[in-house]
Amino acid sequence: AQSVTQLDSQVPVFEEAPVELRCNYSSSVSVYLFWYVQYPNQGLQLLLKYLSGSTLVKGINGFEAEFNKSQTSFHLRKPSVHISDTAEYFCAVILQGAQKLVFGQGTRLTINP
Amino acid sequence: EAGVAQSPRYKIIEKRQSVAFWCNPISGHATLYWYQQILGQGPKLLIQFQNNGVVDDSQLPKDRFSAERLKGVDSTLKIQPAKLEDSAVYLCASIAGTSGSSASLMSEQFFGPGTRLTVL
Repeated sequence: AQSVTQLDSQVPVFEEAPVELRCNYSSSVSVYLFWYVQYPNQGLQLLLKYLSGSTLVKGINGFEAEFNKSQTSFHLRKPSVHISDTAEYFCAVILQGAQKLVFGQGTRLTINP
Repeated sequence: EAGVAQSPRYKIIEKRQSVAFWCNPISGHATLYWYQQILGQGPKLLIQFQNNGVVDDSQLPKDRFSAERLKGVDSTLKIQPAKLEDSAVYLCASIAGTSGSSASLMSEQFFGPGTRLTVL
């Protein structure tokens, strides 16, 4: 069963525009949530993570995400994107009691000048 | 601190041939993962090691895939014989903690650059 769904496979935006990448998960137990970024020809790098506490999580490169338990979502946002943000973004989850990271399908963010 | 190293970066083989990938995790990292990332999909866990022992290989196609981490440091992943559907990027990742501990589950996994395998 799919635990993580990224609703958009591709998101094109103009430079300096805001962006939101959507992620929903399916679980009735507690989860840990992560966003990873994969730049072209590079390995994945952690952007941010939600473990507990404040539902608004700030990460690197100006990204932030908000955990919404009632909507089982963990959408990633940035108020103003740059060309250098062009990459593939992956949402991932660890279910309580599990010992492995399950990734979504990824969203390719393309920044147009 | 050096990152996770993988080699080769690219490999092209014909179906039914054999291939091996190598990974050297960050020094001191006890837990090592191998993932398969098919084009257009997220990474899928193949096998997880803690030191030189296997923690989870439930999604490893054991009829053709094998992996080892004999000295608890670097690891190799082998495919024999390869099929067309094995074309993918094979990612290696490591974390500092031991599998199953709360601290390790919350930790960042450090990924290597991957090996892109093309099976013709």
